[in-house]
Amino acid sequence: QSALTQPASVSGSPGQSITISCTGTSSDVGGYNYVSWYQHHPGKAPRLMIYDVTNRPSGVSNHFSGSKSGNTASLTISGLQAEDEADYYCASYTSSSTLVFGTGTKVTVL
Amino acid sequence: EVHLVESGGGSVQPGGSLRLSCAASGFTFSRNWMHWVRQAPGKGLVWVSRINTDGSYTNYADFVRGRFTISRDNAKNTLFLQMNGLSAEDTAIYYCATNRDHSFEYWGQGTLVTASS
Repeated sequence: QSALTQPASVSGSPGQSITISCTGTSSDVGGYNYVSWYQHHPGKAPRLMIYDVTNRPSGVSNHFSGSKSGNTASLTISGLQAEDEADYYCASYTSSSTLVFGTGTKVTVL
Repeated sequence: EVHLVESGGGSVQPGGSLRLSCAASGFTFSRNWMHWVRQAPGKGLVWVSRINTDGSYTNYADFVRGRFTISRDNAKNTLFLQMNGLSAEDTAIYYCATNRDHSFEYWGQGTLVTASS
């Protein structure tokens, strides 16, 4: 199972909106509404930000939102804040009954 | 509050074995599917394995199938990962995580495994 494809880096100024893409195939992202997103600050445990494509767990700010079109899912961070600077990973359930992560995106707040 | 604490990591020679543990508290462990995820130095997150609530169903990534075994002890609220035939490519931080709709809801802090001669 190949990793899902994400841009290596995305940057934005405070207050701006950025979008991170996550491209897979019809056997993973496109085939199921089981795409999730994770924020990972180095040295800390990853944090679930979005599950089931669009759902936010309790405690996650509503300036994080998720969507999907075909084989590509997206995470949008609106009103970028300094504390949003981190690595972000998508993940998806697959037709092999396994899970696969994306390649990861480093978000930089300018 | 959900708490997951991994242990059992360390240094091992190539070909060696380690058994990781993940002690769970703050939720009903026996009702949750569980996962292991790893991150090699400087690399991204990679899913390793998952197990259902009573241990009767398990899944593995292709690169560990036949070498790693996931299991659980619901009486002790503990998840395990038995790792055999370790190689340098298995060097990573290993995280346990709870499952929510095929996502990873709560994570531990991880335990470092280093396979090196």
